[in-house]
Amino acid sequence: AQSVTQLGSHVSVSEGALVLLRCNYSSSVPPYLFWYVQYPNQGLQLLLKYTSAATLVKGINGFEAEFKKSETSFHLTKPSAHMSDAAEYFCAVSGVAGNMLTFGGGTRLMVKP
Amino acid sequence: DGGITQSPKYLFRKEGQNVTLSCEQNLNHDAMYWYRQDPGQGLRLIYYSQIVNDFQKGDIAEGYSVSREKKESFPLTVTSAQKNPTAFYLCASSIDGGGSSTDTQYFGPGTRLTVL
Repeated sequence: AQSVTQLGSHVSVSEGALVLLRCNYSSSVPPYLFWYVQYPNQGLQLLLKYTSAATLVKGINGFEAEFKKSETSFHLTKPSAHMSDAAEYFCAVSGVAGNMLTFGGGTRLMVKP
Repeated sequence: DGGITQSPKYLFRKEGQNVTLSCEQNLNHDAMYWYRQDPGQGLRLIYYSQIVNDFQKGDIAEGYSVSREKKESFPLTVTSAQKNPTAFYLCASSIDGGGSSTDTQYFGPGTRLTVL
């Protein structure tokens, strides 16, 4: 079975500060890993994905994530937060059975002016 | 302009009534999915379909039904047997559902269902 744990259901940062959203996974096979962002009352938008090509993955809106196999982690970072980054972020893993995604519980990012 | 559409955006239902949520995609994707989202619980898979006229139960299929008569459409019916149907429902699609590195799921805007 595969699972995803997102540490911290709510994260608050000041505008211009570093954003770090944590994701740890478990998977019995080499995983594909994803970060999605959700704005209020909207669907999920793909930020980035890891598919074993490179451990550091760059996504949209200045976000990036690093796959660390030894730590089973895929943390999402952005050097400088912007007010428009306030949203909910979901980490997901696939790889066991076709393209079935298992999602973490989500982290709500708040950005203070 | 390719994408996934879901309608309606907001839906209200009385207890005991069945209701059908629409999902249409023009991305020429073979695979389609339905998820339920509740606060603090992430997304949970209800049903998925990898090909027309075939679909599989996900983790929480009880009280739901689907059909896949056309490649572009994957409607979800929330039946009266679903004990707690109030939630945000998201439809997604991907190229073929086979799990390759290019088989990314893309999501529609969602339908918020409220049972009165």
